[in-house]
Amino acid sequence: DAGVTQSPTHLIKTRGQQVTLRCSPKSGHDTVSWYQQALGQGPQFIFQYYEEEERQRGNFPDRFSGHQFPNYSSELNVNALLLGDSALYLCASSLPTLGIGYTFGSGTRLTVV
Amino acid sequence: DQQVKQNSPSLSVQEGRISILNCDYTNSMFDYFLWYKKYPAEGPTFLISISSIKDKNEDGRFTVFLNKSAKHLSLHIVPSQPGDSAVYFCAGHHGSSNTGKLIFGQGTTLQVKP
Repeated sequence: DAGVTQSPTHLIKTRGQQVTLRCSPKSGHDTVSWYQQALGQGPQFIFQYYEEEERQRGNFPDRFSGHQFPNYSSELNVNALLLGDSALYLCASSLPTLGIGYTFGSGTRLTVV
Repeated sequence: DQQVKQNSPSLSVQEGRISILNCDYTNSMFDYFLWYKKYPAEGPTFLISISSIKDKNEDGRFTVFLNKSAKHLSLHIVPSQPGDSAVYFCAGHHGSSNTGKLIFGQGTTLQVKP
């Protein structure tokens, strides 16, 4: 049973550039959430997608945007990268009818230089 | 506003003894609390959860206790094993089924010594 798959695993970008991170949810899951984990901190909620719409958003600027496709996979886009965007980006999928079981991927480590 | 706090950055225990990880919260609207374990280079792995209407949930070596009046929860691991060495995150779940989100604490690094 494939879990949550994220790509790429590591990425180095230059300040000001744009980046796209990808997530394939666990089989059977239809809801995808994105989290940012800075070094030494807990994951912080960015936003959640369900039925191809952003359902809830955390305290992140508009430079962070996302998309969910009909097959439930999702992308996270970050524009005008700042040094402070360097973090581990985690994708979590869930099937709300099963309760609050969130399955996380291994993350994408983004370094902005 | 830190809604979930884990005030101990690290904890070291001897193999076979009890590990107790603590978490405090301020948001009374959380409907569930969850504990996740995280190894380096891996995503968080779900360990155990507790509904806000319960005060205890047990799963094998793991037990979570919830004290609503104190807005405090704790994870007990008995007996502790070297493989339990990891970062542990406590999280509060907020929202409805399709719009819920997790709010995490900062994490506690547990080291279990053989």
